[in-house]
Amino acid sequence: DTAVSQTPKYLVTQMGNDKSIKCEQNLGHDTMYWYKQDSKKFLKIMFSYNNKELIINETVPNRFSPKSPDKAHLNLHINSLELGDSAVYFCASSQERAGTEKLFFGSGTQLSVL
Amino acid sequence: GESVGLHLPTLSVQEGDNSIINCAYSNSASDYFIWYKQESGKGPQFIIDIRSNMDKRQGQRVTVLLNKTVKHLSLQIAATQPGDSAVYFCAEIESKFGNEKLTFGTGTRLTIIP
Repeated sequence: DTAVSQTPKYLVTQMGNDKSIKCEQNLGHDTMYWYKQDSKKFLKIMFSYNNKELIINETVPNRFSPKSPDKAHLNLHINSLELGDSAVYFCASSQERAGTEKLFFGSGTQLSVL
Repeated sequence: GESVGLHLPTLSVQEGDNSIINCAYSNSASDYFIWYKQESGKGPQFIIDIRSNMDKRQGQRVTVLLNKTVKHLSLQIAATQPGDSAVYFCAEIESKFGNEKLTFGTGTRLTIIP
């Protein structure tokens, strides 16, 4: 069973379009995250949700809007896609927000904006 | 902001040999460190962690060493196998701020030569 699953795995779209990436975790964790990994493999946190509540928004443009319908799901909606949004987006979860909790990552969504 | 860097972006090691991946961190207040392994097409996977009150921690075939004096972290992999080929990330955190402040390094690509 996949612990953290995200869909789609690949997403190719035109500039200006709106797209969503879905994430679900079956670990019973309270905290979920979105990370962005650029072409140089650099990983940076975008958002963090704890029990459906937004905890952190790391200077991400307003075009990115996370939505957490319940604590097992954290979706990412992106409006007016730009070329610079091309990256791999990873969803992750942890039991708590505490700094010593392991993060479990999904397998990533490779977004290509043309 | 704070950054976590790596001395070697790529490393090639003969199968069966030991490998050492190095990492420098800049936040002297970081008190928890993690190594992640990312295989091609997958999300990062937890390998081993260490708290700042320790100098060394061993797992199965892996050892993490922490030198707080020079803010240096290393991951040693013993008797490398083809399955060890991946990108390895160190990550640091001030645990009081929670996982939202987890900062990843830029990654080292380890290639095991058969």
